[in-house]
Amino acid sequence: DSGVTQTPKHLITATGQRVTLRCSPRSGDLSVYWYQQSLDQGLQFLIQYYNGEERAKGNILERFSAQQFPDLHSELNLSSLELGDSALYFCASSPWTSGGRRGNEQFFGPGTRLTVL
Amino acid sequence: ILNVEQSPQSLHVQEGDSTNFTCSFPSSNFYALHWYRWETAKSPEALFVMTLNGDEKKKGRISATLNTKEGYSYLYIKGSQPEDSATYLCASSGSEKLVFGKGTKLTVNP
Repeated sequence: DSGVTQTPKHLITATGQRVTLRCSPRSGDLSVYWYQQSLDQGLQFLIQYYNGEERAKGNILERFSAQQFPDLHSELNLSSLELGDSALYFCASSPWTSGGRRGNEQFFGPGTRLTVL
Repeated sequence: ILNVEQSPQSLHVQEGDSTNFTCSFPSSNFYALHWYRWETAKSPEALFVMTLNGDEKKKGRISATLNTKEGYSYLYIKGSQPEDSATYLCASSGSEKLVFGKGTKLTVNP
């Protein structure tokens, strides 16, 4: 158990809908990262927040947005959902801001499996 | 844009065999190389984080080496056990974000 929690575990919805995925980082971790794992794709970095502020952006679609709240939990909002958005969405946390510098290890949550029908 | 490649894509070995996988990454703007182990239905778990050229790290029967000048890292598993069956991911960072390879799926047959 990494200490990172994600809800819900599974989500089934229809095209055009909007969903919110939630992540609580490990106690004391200030950085939260969101990743998408689609079929035949590696883990794709979406976005990172550090202590409430956006820190780095990856291949995140305009239909997706995220935020980190004062209690450090984070939400990933996915709107106007398409079939291709079906994927496993992971959240990870780390103590510092730098995702890779100085060997900043990331701790992954169990993921949310999103199915868009 | 970083491009992280892992080989082989999959590997089947017998219990007791030793094995190794490769991760290659762009050597420019290198900051760190991460190895993760990802078991089916679980989340990726960090094995090693390496930052210096020539780094070698070991955890039990698993070890890793890093060559930042030529842009590769090897992961070795000595005396593979069925519980080592998992996908092994490497990720490189040149900035804030990690770029993951697609992984090497290891199956250890008893």
